[in-house]
Amino acid sequence: SQTIHQWPATLVQPVGSPLSLECTVEGTSNPNLYWYRQAAGRGLQLLFYSVGIGQISSEVPQNLSASRPQDRQFILSSKKLLLSDSGFYLCAWGTGGAGGELFFGEGSRLTVL
Amino acid sequence: GQQVMQIPQYQHVQEGEDFTTYCNSSTTLSNIQWYKQRPGGHPVFLIQLVKSGEVKKQKRLTFQFGEAKKNSSLHITATQTTDVGTYFCAGGGLEAYNTDKLIFGTGTRLQVFP
Repeated sequence: SQTIHQWPATLVQPVGSPLSLECTVEGTSNPNLYWYRQAAGRGLQLLFYSVGIGQISSEVPQNLSASRPQDRQFILSSKKLLLSDSGFYLCAWGTGGAGGELFFGEGSRLTVL
Repeated sequence: GQQVMQIPQYQHVQEGEDFTTYCNSSTTLSNIQWYKQRPGGHPVFLIQLVKSGEVKKQKRLTFQFGEAKKNSSLHITATQTTDVGTYFCAGGGLEAYNTDKLIFGTGTRLQVFP
């Protein structure tokens, strides 16, 4: 069966520090991968999605970046965090296309101080 | 840009009352999905609708996709405390029918009082 792992679960970072969130999927090949951000009490904002290795689509101009170095690995990064980067970051995978429901990881709660 | 709006933003109901959340897209969708997120948790897939005018039921939950494929609704009959959470719709194919890109609605937070 397919599983998705996301870490770290919680982190507190100072403004200006770097960020790296990692997500891996097991039990499937060539998945679509997604990073969403959820501000407190708000909806899900699509940040990046990837349909294959090295293929990244960026949805929102920001100081975040994403990379997909391996088929089932998706990394969200920042060189210098801002206060506004605080939120709940969710990685998800899907099969893509019209039948593509998403399966979410447990999420990473980031607080920037 | 593409937008998927949901109303209401919040809904408080007494246990046993019905609940409905509405989802509206600025553009025609190829499909609509619904997710539920429990407090502190991550979104979990409930259902997908693809056809114009489609209606699907899951026990006390009824999902509908509009004829123009630009709106959808989720109706819960006789709510229970286990229904508490935030319900999101998510639209696929908003942009040039790119079904790889799933845009989530703003969500409706449901609170059920016993």
